[in-house]
Amino acid sequence: AQRVTQPEKLLSVFKGAPVELKCNYSYSGSPELFWYVQYSRQRLQLLLRHISRESIKGFTADLNKGETSFHLKKPFAQEEDSAMYYCALLYGGATNKLIFGTGTLLAVQP
Amino acid sequence: ETGVTQSPTHLIKTRGQQVTLRCSSQSGHNTVSWYQQALGQGPQFIFQYYREEENGRGNFPPRFSGLQFPNYSSELNVNALELDDSALYLCASSFEPGRSNTGELFFGEGSRLTVL
Repeated sequence: AQRVTQPEKLLSVFKGAPVELKCNYSYSGSPELFWYVQYSRQRLQLLLRHISRESIKGFTADLNKGETSFHLKKPFAQEEDSAMYYCALLYGGATNKLIFGTGTLLAVQP
Repeated sequence: ETGVTQSPTHLIKTRGQQVTLRCSSQSGHNTVSWYQQALGQGPQFIFQYYREEENGRGNFPPRFSGLQFPNYSSELNVNALELDDSALYLCASSFEPGRSNTGELFFGEGSRLTVL
């Protein structure tokens, strides 16, 4: 079955420390993966997608098919990075159906 | 550019009642998806509407139904409400499936439903 797993509910780091938010997926086809972010009092929004191979706000994510992982990384955390992060898998062929993980709350301490 | 708007923002219903939630898609988008987000969980796909027809459905019973109108706005209807239907209901708009930016959804702020 298609599934997205985010093992950590909460990740607390100090400002300037590296960040890695873990995401593992289960999918039989060729996956398309995304990271969505929700800042306090804001709506859920796309952060980045693996196809674009882009760095957004200093975050990157590499798809590792061997380990079925799509971890989100940032070398130096900033306080404004504190937010809820969701990993999502595109599934459904002709449907823009996203399967979301349960999310990880990133708390960056000053 | 107008973002996704949802109404109402909060509502309280009792078991067995029916509820209608509304969503206006972002300008330029013709596809609307609905998600249910229970407390402490990620959003879960309910269904998607494209060209005024259901275009994919998640693991939700038939008492969850929807509509899409010619202006691309949408409604989510839930009949015979149960306690477990208490959740945040998110609407997301996007371009039609199959375009290169598939997977990029623009979310509304949600409608929080409490069933007593």
